[in-house]
Amino acid sequence: AQKVTQAQTEISVVEKEDVTLDCVYETRDTTYYLFWYKQPPSGELVFLIRRNSFDEQNEISGRYSWNFQKSTSSFNFTITASQVVDSAVYFCALNTGGFKTIFGAGTRLFVKA
Amino acid sequence: EAGVAQSPRYKIIEKRQSVAFWCNPISGHATLYWYQQILGQGPKLLIQFQNNGVVDDSQLPKDRFSAERLKGVDSTLKIQPAKLEDSAVYLCASSSEGVETQYFGPGTRLLVL
Repeated sequence: AQKVTQAQTEISVVEKEDVTLDCVYETRDTTYYLFWYKQPPSGELVFLIRRNSFDEQNEISGRYSWNFQKSTSSFNFTITASQVVDSAVYFCALNTGGFKTIFGAGTRLFVKA
Repeated sequence: EAGVAQSPRYKIIEKRQSVAFWCNPISGHATLYWYQQILGQGPKLLIQFQNNGVVDDSQLPKDRFSAERLKGVDSTLKIQPAKLEDSAVYLCASSSEGVETQYFGPGTRLLVL
């Protein structure tokens, strides 16, 4: 069975702090895809990144970086120098190449000025 | 490029009434998804279409929910009759293929009283 666990329900940081959002996944498939989405208060899920299981290179995009480790089945997301606009719910998701994408429960991030 | 369109944005109904939601995916996207997102949870897939055929509806409560995508473009999700536990945000997403990145609409917030 496939499963995505985001153990952190809520995180609160002060602006300019770095913050890491954890994501642990379970699957027996060797080919799979991992995603991160951001859901601001407006409600629309915004795509951030997609990773396939054969590409373990870490990725950096501006203040965002992602650490994919197959050995620990983790796909963690770090925001450097957080800003108030980063306040949102962040979802990690897994697709095993079948048709269903499984979402984690989400981590709500509060960034205080 | 226009994003995924959904209407209405908000709907309040009483239990046992009927309601319908509409979604227009990104132009050219063959795959369309309907998700239910209950407050505090991640999105849960209700139904997935590939063109106008159903790929996965295993989590759709078929006794009260129905969906169609007649011409392989826009789609309608209906609830009849609604229950209190149907209060949620209904998200529509589309992708070019089944395992490609999904792009989400703004969602429809349903409140059943």
